[in-house]
Amino acid sequence: DADVTQTPRNRITKTGKRIMLECSQTKGHDRMYWYRQDPGLGLQLIYYSFDVKDINKGEISDGYSVSRQAQAKFSLSLESAIPNQTALYFCATSDPGGDGTDTQYFGPGTRLTVL
Amino acid sequence: EDKVVQSPLSLVVHEGDTVTLNCSYEVTNFRSLLWYKQEKKAPTFLFMLTSSGIEKKSGRLSSILDKKELFSILNITATQTGDSAVYLCAVRYNYGQNFVFGPGTRLSVLP
Repeated sequence: DADVTQTPRNRITKTGKRIMLECSQTKGHDRMYWYRQDPGLGLQLIYYSFDVKDINKGEISDGYSVSRQAQAKFSLSLESAIPNQTALYFCATSDPGGDGTDTQYFGPGTRLTVL
Repeated sequence: EDKVVQSPLSLVVHEGDTVTLNCSYEVTNFRSLLWYKQEKKAPTFLFMLTSSGIEKKSGRLSSILDKKELFSILNITATQTGDSAVYLCAVRYNYGQNFVFGPGTRLSVLP
């Protein structure tokens, strides 16, 4: 079974609709992240959470909100979707090691299309 | 502004060729540099580099970091069609946002 799962995997919606993307992990990591990927722009950080009570904005948080329901769950919401939010969305987790490492582990991605 | 630049953005080679992908960065309080390979799904981790001059190797792939000149290279020897992917470089720095990613290099290996 995958350690980081995302639902749904694909979603087509219309402008103005509210959308929630969900991420679950079984790795027991405290840190979770939401990224979006657009062609030619690499990965951009939307929000990140270092534990259940800690939520931080990333590079491009406008138009998005998040909820950390538990250590294992981190949801991303688009309150009123717009076409330029069409992208591939990735969830990731990490757990800093004592040796300074902090490798991220990614979910499979959610392809969102806003018409 | 913290940033990561990769070059080239796109590269087409034939099987058996050797390629070098470049990543340069400008960040505050550098911690580590990571390389990922992304095919049609999520990125997969390749290497993490923290010290200058120490080469990391995994099969036909190798990578090295130069913290003085602020860059890293990823080498792939004897390329195969399965190496076709986008290669992402990311840099971790101390506080706030953990990682900043480059735009990626799209590598296409033709038979």
